[in-house]
Amino acid sequence: SQELEQSPQSLIVQEGKNLTINCTSSKTLYGLYWYKQKYGEGLIFLMMLQKGGEEKSHEKITAKLDEKKQQSSLHITASQPSHAGIYLCGVGTSGGGADGLTFGKGTHLIIQP
Amino acid sequence: DGGITQSPKYLFRKEGQNVTLSCEQNLNHDAMYWYRQDPGQGLRLIYYSQIVNDFQKGDIAEGYSVSREKKESFPLTVTSAQKNPTAFYLCASSLHIRREEKLFFGSGTQLSVL
Repeated sequence: SQELEQSPQSLIVQEGKNLTINCTSSKTLYGLYWYKQKYGEGLIFLMMLQKGGEEKSHEKITAKLDEKKQQSSLHITASQPSHAGIYLCGVGTSGGGADGLTFGKGTHLIIQP
Repeated sequence: DGGITQSPKYLFRKEGQNVTLSCEQNLNHDAMYWYRQDPGQGLRLIYYSQIVNDFQKGDIAEGYSVSREKKESFPLTVTSAQKNPTAFYLCASSLHIRREEKLFFGSGTQLSVL
């Protein structure tokens, strides 16, 4: 199965600062999904990227997929307390069947006031 | 509102006991999934079902069982054979569309051993 490595594992950022989270795979990413999780809650879908070089934005969060489709980054501009939580990247199978996503271990984001 | 409902939110298991976690969805999704989340380990797939009356093992199926008798429901039983059941369990569903695997998640069940 495809493994995803997320970095950093945890991140403490002062409110108002920008930050970047990375997700790397040794294999081509056929559909890269970003989710956010509040502690003790379910995952909330943020964005999905499929094409090399693709970039999507939602409010102050921007996600990019590199041209080789092996790395994705999530960038938050002017961080706010509401951005705190766990960010997870997930990848679908190359066959595109509905057999679940494989997730990275997550990045824990703490926003300091 | 459509969504996925997991119950209970918290569950305690005694030694040798089987417990069942409920997952219901009203999104009319074909596929449903169970994940286990442990601190520092991310999400791991336990079982999934692409259609009613059919399901497949995920990466860590040992000690668990599932059923899919109705499209809306996908209960997970944690059996006494699962020696380390304490974890956060997440249920998810998706439309079975090729190359589109966006998952919708429930709010999770925290299972602890007494």
